[in-house]
Amino acid sequence: GENVEQHPSTLSVQEGDSAVIKCTYSDSASNYFPWYKQELGKRPQLIIDIRSNVGEKKDQRIAVTLNKTAKHFSLHITETQPEDSAVYFCAASTSGTYKYIFGTGTRLKVLA
Amino acid sequence: NAGVTQTPKFQVLKTGQSMTLQCAQDMNHNSMYWYRQDPGMGLRLIYYSASEGTTDKGEVPNGYNVSRLNKREFSLRLESAAPSQTSVYFCASSAGQLSNQPQHFGDGTRLSIL
Repeated sequence: GENVEQHPSTLSVQEGDSAVIKCTYSDSASNYFPWYKQELGKRPQLIIDIRSNVGEKKDQRIAVTLNKTAKHFSLHITETQPEDSAVYFCAASTSGTYKYIFGTGTRLKVLA
Repeated sequence: NAGVTQTPKFQVLKTGQSMTLQCAQDMNHNSMYWYRQDPGMGLRLIYYSASEGTTDKGEVPNGYNVSRLNKREFSLRLESAAPSQTSVYFCASSAGQLSNQPQHFGDGTRLSIL
């Protein structure tokens, strides 16, 4: 069945450094890739998303890149801050299926 | 604008008891979803409803039933709770057009089965 693998499971960076989280999907028909941030005890919240007709998307310190050939996409956070500490989930979905397949999450710790 | 509202926020049950988790959205979204979140396993889809009047099984449907009461409400029922169903349950909704849209999550229900 469809699968999304996410790496690493934990990531520690110094404040001000960059963080990169990578996801690989199995269904070549997947065409929508959102990223969610979940703070401790809170709901997952969308931070950025990308569709298959775009290779890269940026929003201030956050960017997502997509490689359809290799079937992987990545989240890049620059100039990390302590408030970036959270669990980040990637997901993949396909038009018309209404289903989203989530990765297992990355716990990011930004050390002050 | 409340978004997605889940009740209750916390619940403790004994093995074999039944209960219904409620979810309502006020964004006029077509699609609604129920997930469970367990440590190290991300979000796993239990059931979803692509539109009012339809429901479909997700990845882990065993032990659960759902009802799409109307466009706003989507409930999840545990008929005979088991300790393996101890988890955090999230309801989500999306506009659900063919191109797919972001999901909006509720605050979750933390459920413990003793």
